Amino acid sequence: EAQVTQNPRYLITVTGKKLTVTCSQNMNHEYMSWYRQDPGLGLRQIYYSMNVEVTDKGDVPEGYKVSRKEKRNFPLILESPSPNQTSLYFCASSYRRDYGAAEAFFGQGTRLTVV
Amino acid sequence: EDQVTQSPEALRLQEGESSSLNCSYTVSGLRGLFWYRQDPGKGPEFLFTLYSAGEEKEKERLKATLTKKESFLHITAPKPEDSATYLCAVQAYSGGYQKVTFGTGTKLQVIP
Repeated sequence: EAQVTQNPRYLITVTGKKLTVTCSQNMNHEYMSWYRQDPGLGLRQIYYSMNVEVTDKGDVPEGYKVSRKEKRNFPLILESPSPNQTSLYFCASSYRRDYGAAEAFFGQGTRLTVV
Repeated sequence: EDQVTQSPEALRLQEGESSSLNCSYTVSGLRGLFWYRQDPGKGPEFLFTLYSAGEEKEKERLKATLTKKESFLHITAPKPEDSATYLCAVQAYSGGYQKVTFGTGTKLQVIP
């Protein structure tokens, strides 16, 4: 079954404690992206990757890091989380390298709370 | 700055009552406009991609259209299972970046 898998689904952490949210896709997609979704603000792109070892900033990259060492995985790293990073996070992938939002598959989401 | 505005924020329809959702955008270097459906507690589900003004796409009771400044999602004779939040997104190429900008969505409720 084609899917994008995020882990964990729910996470409560404390300010400053480094964390990683994993994302894996089984469709051999080239394009992967991370979004955060907040009430009233909609989905906002954090980072995207058009290929292995190629990553670029989206609209809200501050406080986040990503890496793309393998095609299937695109982890999101928060080196020093703060309460304003409390949000619902989605990972997405698409076979369209140049149109990454076209026919994108989204993961189930990770609800992160930073206290 | 790229902007995507969806209206209305919420829409309540009787089953069978057709209507349209609007997505207006301000973006330079538009590569494509996309519609997604999001059910509570789930990730968005892809519906349509539109690349150029005048283009139309259809799927069951849904039809998406695109002009140079806005897109419409027409819902014909909706059913309760069409209840969801509908999201519009644009992808633009600017300054070497390919960014995706989403609107805040229209929450649709279809009453039996």
